Amino acid sequence: QKEVEQNSGPLSVPEGAIASLNCTYSDRGSQSFFWYRQYSGKSPELIMFIYSNGDKEDGRFTAQLNKASQYVSLLIRDSQPSDSATYLCAVKTSGTYKYIFGTGTRLKVLA
Amino acid sequence: SAVISQKPSRDICQRGTSLTIQCQVDSQVTMMFWYRQQPGQSLTLIATANQGSEATYESGFVIDKFPISRPNLTFSTLTVSNMSPEDSSIYLCSVGSQGVADTQYFGPGTRLTVL
Repeated sequence: QKEVEQNSGPLSVPEGAIASLNCTYSDRGSQSFFWYRQYSGKSPELIMFIYSNGDKEDGRFTAQLNKASQYVSLLIRDSQPSDSATYLCAVKTSGTYKYIFGTGTRLKVLA
Repeated sequence: SAVISQKPSRDICQRGTSLTIQCQVDSQVTMMFWYRQQPGQSLTLIATANQGSEATYESGFVIDKFPISRPNLTFSTLTVSNMSPEDSSIYLCSVGSQGVADTQYFGPGTRLTVL
């Protein structure tokens, strides 16, 4: 059974701090990794994807991938109350177009 | 990314009835998917909607319960048949953008409550 695991949280950080969200996956053949943000009552919104080892930065967001450790993370710098949401990690399984989603981490940014 | 719409946005249905959810995309897409998100849980893939052929269902989901149509490259429907309260969920369609990472983008979702 291919799995994607996330700490459900909530993860509480003060405004302006760095929020660090983590995700591990079981399928070593996984190729692409995605972070989605989901506000309460809304559908998931793609924030970033990464497929090469290392860091990928986009504005306040940085995705980090370590395939050897089967670990992907999302850093949010200068966290804002508007970043408060559930963050879903998704992994594209090898040889298909299908995603497997983690259960999500709820982030609360305290003003 | 494509603009995706779903209808209805929400519905309250009686046990034993069926509901058809529509997903419309503003551009032609090859890959369309249907997901379920039960209260407080993550997304579970129901099936891949294939244009011109039968949908490909994931383990635990069957065509009799969740028939899917994909008549063209911009439209798909998911029917939830013979509903029970356990079917209360958010149903989401997504479209795949083929490229380096094969990203998926989600529609706004349909919130279904079965009484």
